[in-house]
Amino acid sequence: NAGVTQTPKFQVLKTGQSMTLQCAQDMNHEYMSWYRQDPGMGLRLIHYSVGAGITDQGEVPNGYNVSRSTTEDFPLRLLSAAPSQTSVYFCASSLDNGGYGYTFGSGTRLTVV
Amino acid sequence: KQEVTQIPAALSVPEGENLVLNCSFTDSAIYNLQWFRQDPGKGLTSLLLIQSSQREQTSGRLNASLDKSSGRSTLYIAASQPGDSATYLCAVLGGGADGLTFGKGTHLIIQP
Repeated sequence: NAGVTQTPKFQVLKTGQSMTLQCAQDMNHEYMSWYRQDPGMGLRLIHYSVGAGITDQGEVPNGYNVSRSTTEDFPLRLLSAAPSQTSVYFCASSLDNGGYGYTFGSGTRLTVV
Repeated sequence: KQEVTQIPAALSVPEGENLVLNCSFTDSAIYNLQWFRQDPGKGLTSLLLIQSSQREQTSGRLNASLDKSSGRSTLYIAASQPGDSATYLCAVLGGGADGLTFGKGTHLIIQP
């Protein structure tokens, strides 16, 4: 049982480039979400999904896009990377909306230069 | 808007001591509270989950309490070990679908 798998672990982008951060879970969890972690700011919610085909914005959604075509996968797309998007990104999933707790991936460290 | 505060921000104690980490939240209408551990450069590992109807949860040397009415939770670590050194994060889940609200964490160092 792999849990929540994020790829890549590290990435360097140039300003203006686009990329997709991948997140997959094998626990048949309905709820998936993306957070970013910045020094002194804590973790903040970017986007979330309560099930396949359903997504919604979190606290800091600007510059990011998501889709949920399957239960297992929840990719995060950076449309045009900016230095302000330099951060560590975590994907999390839960069986329902967190009633049984959340499982987090190991993170993607992104640097935008 | 829910706000979560963790005190202290950093703590360094000798091995073997019992210690308490504090978490407070401004909106008592929570669904549950989860404590995580984060090692440097790593992801979040769930330690304990307390439902809003519960007062405490225990796992090994860890005990977490919840006082929802006062907006407080504590994480008690007994007989601390150097391997306990990490950042401990408190997160609360509200009634909506918008996920967890995190504190900024307590950076814990256990001195051998």
